[in-house]
Amino acid sequence: DGGITQSPKYLFRKEGQNVTLSCEQNLNHDAMYWYRQDPGQGLRLIYYSQIVNDFQKGDIAEGYSVSREKKESFPLTVTSAQKNPTAFYLCASAKGGGRGDEQFFGPGTRLTVL
Amino acid sequence: AQSVTQPDIHITVSEGASLELRCNYSYGATPYLFWYVQSPGQGLQLLLKYFSGDTLVQGIKGFEAEFKRSQSSFNLRKPSVHWSDAAEYFCAVAPPTGGFKTIFGAGTRLFVKA
Repeated sequence: DGGITQSPKYLFRKEGQNVTLSCEQNLNHDAMYWYRQDPGQGLRLIYYSQIVNDFQKGDIAEGYSVSREKKESFPLTVTSAQKNPTAFYLCASAKGGGRGDEQFFGPGTRLTVL
Repeated sequence: AQSVTQPDIHITVSEGASLELRCNYSYGATPYLFWYVQSPGQGLQLLLKYFSGDTLVQGIKGFEAEFKRSQSSFNLRKPSVHWSDAAEYFCAVAPPTGGFKTIFGAGTRLFVKA
């Protein structure tokens, strides 16, 4: 079955550590996105990529980094520079990244900083 | 600035009762409009979308939404709610021209009582 997978489902990090969240899709979609979700704030865009080897900052990119070396994969690194990283992280993909394209979401990763 | 407003943080309805979730947007032109649903601890799933044509849009799971240009609204409705509809609902907009970012509202959590 086609879809988006995110791993791990739960992640615990000590302050000062970098962590990488995995996102893989087998939908053959060109566009991929990372969102952060906090209670009462909806989804906020961290980074997005419309094509391999290219990505753009979203609204809250500070303290995060991404890579897009393969069409299927769009990992997100939460660096120690991110001051408040505890949140629910959602990865999504879309067929062409066009404005009307439906986004397909993974199940999310809940990151907790200890 | 472009924005999406969901005025109700949470709504409680009885099973079998009708439902209307409100969404207002602020854009210069008619954007692409979406409703997504999120079950607890899960990713988002598209319920329906609108860009042009018939202003009453049918979606999955018995949901529909009506676009009203004069009110800049895109309210979601269901005639008879089932307990399984308890979830969080997000209205989202994407611009008709220019950037590719989708903006999500803060969400409305639906509680269904027996």
